[in-house]
Amino acid sequence: DQQVKQNSPSLSVQEGRISILNCDYTNSMFDYFLWYKKYPAEGPTFLISISSIKDKNEDGRFTVFLNKSAKHLSLHIVPSQPGDSAVYFCAAPTFQGAQKLVFGQGTRLTINP
Amino acid sequence: SQTIHQWPATLVQPVGSPLSLECTVEGTSNPNLYWYRQAAGRGLQLLFYSVGIGQISSEVPQNLSASRPQDRQFILSSKKLLLSDSGFYLCAWSLGTSYNEQFFGPGTRLTVL
Repeated sequence: DQQVKQNSPSLSVQEGRISILNCDYTNSMFDYFLWYKKYPAEGPTFLISISSIKDKNEDGRFTVFLNKSAKHLSLHIVPSQPGDSAVYFCAAPTFQGAQKLVFGQGTRLTINP
Repeated sequence: SQTIHQWPATLVQPVGSPLSLECTVEGTSNPNLYWYRQAAGRGLQLLFYSVGIGQISSEVPQNLSASRPQDRQFILSSKKLLLSDSGFYLCAWSLGTSYNEQFFGPGTRLTVL
């Protein structure tokens, strides 16, 4: 059962434009979400998070939006830069003896010059 | 500051051979520790997690096992590797409190031939 889904395996955006990465979830108990960025052959790095008490969180060029009624969140990157080319994962924590993260399948973002 | 180490970085092993991957964390005490696998073209799958020395929880029945002999050491093992064990293995740590992101190591690329 895929509780966190990223339905777009890849996305290609022109440099300077906005990149929008989407994530859907099925578990209504999720109340916190994280985005990770991963370069090839490296571990993922934390990018930005959002709590369900908010519908928006912004950090520089990165903004995450949360629509609880639709069980949907999105990551906006503006303006997109070549260094943003990576795989992006959304994740949600569950607590079963320890905090565990449930990850989406990831979206490969390619920024074209 | 905290750092997480994994070794080896890459490994090529024949089918049926044993496996031992090691992960160590510095700069924190009593972390939660995790092993993930990213198979080619897929998301991050949680394999094992540990909340303390000797405490291992398995997420997916498989050919692998994990051990935590020391507070900041996490080992992933197999007695006999299968072709399907190939992938990118990631170790991560987090604090035991809620809503903390997980921090990932650099990963080990395992190829089973």
